[in-house]
Amino acid sequence: KAGVTQTPRYLIKTRGQQVTLSCSPISGHRSVSWYQQTPGQGLQFLFEYFSETQRNKGNFPGRFSGRQFSNSRSEMNVSTLELGDSALYLCASSPTRISSYNEQFFGPGTRLTVL
Amino acid sequence: TQLLEQSPQFLSIQEGENLTVYCNSSSVFSSLQWYRQEPGEGPVLLVTVVTGGEVKKLKRLTFQFGDARKDSSLHITAAQPGDTGLYLCAGVWRNNDMRFGAGTRLTVKP
Repeated sequence: KAGVTQTPRYLIKTRGQQVTLSCSPISGHRSVSWYQQTPGQGLQFLFEYFSETQRNKGNFPGRFSGRQFSNSRSEMNVSTLELGDSALYLCASSPTRISSYNEQFFGPGTRLTVL
Repeated sequence: TQLLEQSPQFLSIQEGENLTVYCNSSSVFSSLQWYRQEPGEGPVLLVTVVTGGEVKKLKRLTFQFGDARKDSSLHITAAQPGDTGLYLCAGVWRNNDMRFGAGTRLTVKP
């Protein structure tokens, strides 16, 4: 079974630009969550999508948005990029919604650098 | 502000030594998970603890969930270089809300 895949793996953008990251979950998984990982703040939850609907959202500005398609693939968009958006963006999938008993399977991440 | 406090933030030890990593919060968790992340990869789940006071063992790793379900610890016995990595705790609250600690970066020197 293929794991979670994320594209692209590396991305360099300049301030003010916008970026779209893609995540393909494990086949059969319906929940996709996005996280931002930085050395200073650690792993921070962005949002969770399940059945094409955003189910939960972290404390990030509206510049961060996402969506999920009918095949469970998900995209995350960041508009008007800032230097502080430089981070590793991780996608995780699970069969059902985040819960006490579910394991999340993480992709390798997309390393975004904003210049 | 981190809802989950992990300590220590960095740990560098010699092969064969023992170590303990702590994860604490003022909130009660439905469950707590421990992940390990290696460079260039996403975190991989090691264990999930659900019941207060629960202890789980995974070879040389021992995980404990506090009686009040507000804290957890990870103990590694006779650490090996292959244990090197970033160890993350993640707490799940009742509303399906998952939050991660900042992580403990462990280096085991041969």
